[in-house]
Amino acid sequence: QSVLTQPPSVSAAPGQKVTISCSGSSSNIGNNYVSWYQQLPGTAPKLLIYDNNKRPSGIPDRFSGSKSGTSATLGITGLQTGDEADYYCGTWDSSLSALVFGGGTKLTVL
Amino acid sequence: QVQLVESGGGLVKPGGSLRLSCAASGFTFSDYYMSWIRQAPGKGLEWVSYISSSGSTIYYADSVKGRFTISRDNAKNSLYLQMNSLRAEDTAVYYCARGDPMFAFDIWGQGTMVTVSS
Repeated sequence: QSVLTQPPSVSAAPGQKVTISCSGSSSNIGNNYVSWYQQLPGTAPKLLIYDNNKRPSGIPDRFSGSKSGTSATLGITGLQTGDEADYYCGTWDSSLSALVFGGGTKLTVL
Repeated sequence: QVQLVESGGGLVKPGGSLRLSCAASGFTFSDYYMSWIRQAPGKGLEWVSYISSSGSTIYYADSVKGRFTISRDNAKNSLYLQMNSLRAEDTAVYYCARGDPMFAFDIWGQGTMVTVSS
């Protein structure tokens, strides 16, 4: 049981938009920065979003992040088959003194 | 280029020990916090431990506290994870990652597999 709650799976057609939610509490998302990671099959995770809504260089603006209260959302527009991957949110939990991840969301581009 | 390369994984019996290493290159290693993160087969990511740039601040997940020890050698640009009293549930791919966990991990290694089985 993860501290952060993500939907196990989401799907959408190529070219469409999808959002992935990440729900937490005041001890984690509510008072700390959220980051998002993409893990393509058989590869290491890759940073997509940091500080709630910033993109590292090289990450296309099709990927966006937002945070409101104790929830965060990853948005992906113009879906491509290459976006099929597992997506994880992560943040520091001040009560646990630990970095916590969501359980991951598998994106299928139909 | 900026790179992290893990090594030291393998098959070990329950109760045994293993030491993982992570070699950093392409950046000033001593400027960065570093972490170990693991992923059990078919499961999600689990943060294991982090160490500050100087080594003065260390945190562990409850699941490994008292059994695992993180360390670093800034002169050798290397991060380590000493794993003792290994259990079957420690079986996972272990990644080293650069960054302060308060913010994000921007560089990840390719991972090294640890299997704990008799």
